[in-house]
Amino acid sequence: EVQLVESGGGLVKPGGSLRLSCAASGFTFSSYSMNWVRQAPGKGLEWVSSISSSSSYIYYADSVKGRFTISRDNAKNSLYLQMNSLRAEDTAVYYCARDQRRGEGMDVWGQGTTVTVSS
Amino acid sequence: EIVLTQSPATLSLSPGERATLSCRASQSVSSYLAWYQQKPGQAPRLLIYDASNRATGIPARFSGSGSGTDFTLTISSLEPEDFAVYYCQQRSNGKTFGQGTKVEIK
Repeated sequence: EVQLVESGGGLVKPGGSLRLSCAASGFTFSSYSMNWVRQAPGKGLEWVSSISSSSSYIYYADSVKGRFTISRDNAKNSLYLQMNSLRAEDTAVYYCARDQRRGEGMDVWGQGTTVTVSS
Repeated sequence: EIVLTQSPATLSLSPGERATLSCRASQSVSSYLAWYQQKPGQAPRLLIYDASNRATGIPARFSGSGSGTDFTLTISSLEPEDFAVYYCQQRSNGKTFGQGTKVEIK
């Protein structure tokens, strides 16, 4: 079964850091680009970051550029999001999502992990 | 940044009716547009990619059309399980989502 499982969410104070992980199974992880997408409480979806299969290409939304770092370990079938200088507006459910082979759409999603930034 | 504007914000329809959802881009995205469905407490599900291609396992009642700046998602006859929030997303320049259209039961 193709599956993505996020972990690492929690409560953190403003200015703090958190590292999210996404464990992939059931497919050849190293062949796919991956994404982080977040959803603030009661709000819509916001793309956060993408990374190509070999980590050659990395992209960020302007809202997180310079604060978040995406990375992957293909040997461990894992995707990561290092989040620094967290703000209240970063509070959201964070999803990892797989791109289709040519990047047409995000066809596999995890269940999400919740990040709450509050003092 | 390319802004996607979805309309209407809410669509109130009855089962069996036809739903027409719109997504307009602030600049051309060619055909690089996808549609997703999200139900409460669930992750999004890919419905349509590259404007008009149904994803694997998506019923034929879902169809997409458009190119450039104007796109439409049509659900030909609403089933009870189709009442949800729908998002468009572009990949022409970075990635952005629209704000969503809620399809609710009338």
